Amino acid sequence: DTGVSQNPRHKITKRGQNVTFRCDPISEHNRLYWYRQTLGQGPEFLTYFQNEAQLEKSRLLSDRFSAERPKGSFSTLEIQRTEQGDSAMYLCASSLVYGGINQPQHFGDGTRLSIL
Amino acid sequence: RKEVEQDPGPFNVPEGATVAFNCTYSNSASQSFFWYRQDCRKEPKLLMSVYSSGNEDGRFTAQLNRASQYISLLIRDSKLSDSATYLCVVTVPRFNAGGTSYGKLTFGQGTILTVHP
Repeated sequence: DTGVSQNPRHKITKRGQNVTFRCDPISEHNRLYWYRQTLGQGPEFLTYFQNEAQLEKSRLLSDRFSAERPKGSFSTLEIQRTEQGDSAMYLCASSLVYGGINQPQHFGDGTRLSIL
Repeated sequence: RKEVEQDPGPFNVPEGATVAFNCTYSNSASQSFFWYRQDCRKEPKLLMSVYSSGNEDGRFTAQLNRASQYISLLIRDSKLSDSATYLCVVTVPRFNAGGTSYGKLTFGQGTILTVHP
């Protein structure tokens, strides 16, 4: 399967713990996005990478959140000192810019985070 | 006001029915428009792009009215497999340091459709 891969699929942890999620985009895609989705809502943009550069961060991304894409391939999203409000589905998407045009984004299955 | 607003439904329709979803967006600079489909506990998948002239893909027809900032999706001859959440999505032009536009998607909350036998 050459789609966007995310792991783990599910993460249950106690409040105050740190968690890290991983996203492997489609291999030739140079753009990678993180979104968060809570129940009954559409996904909300968190941050975006062009290759290894993080070019925009949403105000939703507090200082407890950090994302990296060290070699311009896979990305990690870390949440420190988790809070109950962090419980959500974290979605990764990737896309290819070609000829100056951003092609459609393809989403991974997401990581569902539950904070006890 | 939310950037993208949809009627959350749920819509419950029998097989074979025609159903229409509406969506409004607040930013007049919005440039690209899409409908995504999301099955329960699955990732969003692109259903179709929406073009100014309107476009059709089989049983699905999408319309865009830029003056009213309104997007619609019409599903004809509904199938059981059409049951899902339909997400209205827009992008506003945003440019990175290199001057290249990138696509930050802004989603509506989704409209739930259930098609029953």
